[in-house]
Amino acid sequence: NAGVMQNPRHLVRRRGQEARLRCSPMKGHSHVYWYRQLPEEGLKFMVYLQKENIIDESGMPKERFSAEFPKEGPSILRIQQVVRGDSAAYFCASSPQVLRDEQYFGPGTRLTVT
Amino acid sequence: DAKTTQPTSMDCAEGRAANLPCNHSTISGNEYVYWYRQIHSQGPQYIIHGLKNNETNEMASLIITEDRKSSTLILPHATLRDTAVYYCIVGDNQGGKLIFGQGTELSVKP
Repeated sequence: NAGVMQNPRHLVRRRGQEARLRCSPMKGHSHVYWYRQLPEEGLKFMVYLQKENIIDESGMPKERFSAEFPKEGPSILRIQQVVRGDSAAYFCASSPQVLRDEQYFGPGTRLTVT
Repeated sequence: DAKTTQPTSMDCAEGRAANLPCNHSTISGNEYVYWYRQIHSQGPQYIIHGLKNNETNEMASLIITEDRKSSTLILPHATLRDTAVYYCIVGDNQGGKLIFGQGTELSVKP
């Protein structure tokens, strides 16, 4: 069973561009979570989604950030008009329907804004 | 969610047991204790969780005190590859966000 997949693994964007980060959950998992880890800082929750629904976006910045988990395809974390402060590792996790606090993380996408 | 307190760092000799403590004195009756670890630059890895009974799996053992105010994660035979930041997290197992603290940076030394 393949694990959580994230792509790209590394992404470089200039200030003002858009960044799209993709996450494919483990097979059979219908819950997806996004976390951000700024350099030398801890992991911070951003958003929790189920298929076609945002359940909790309390950690998502109000502007420029959006997330979706469509019925078909991967979950997407979208950052518009990136700034240098968006440079971080973005991790996606998924969990099965029952044991929802047991989350399985992907390898992360390292975003660098130049 | 209840908060947890962990030592900032610990050392352990290779081949010896690593015992990582966690205090969660405000834990509620329906909250579980979860342990994750993050090896440098990788995604966090789930290790184990428990409610009140001690738990063991292929990676580790989890000892929870009777009053549930603290727990210990035990890696029975630490290897160099166990060097990582270990996070103790309390949650109600109803889904939703994990709140990561600073964790314990475990260094396994030869």
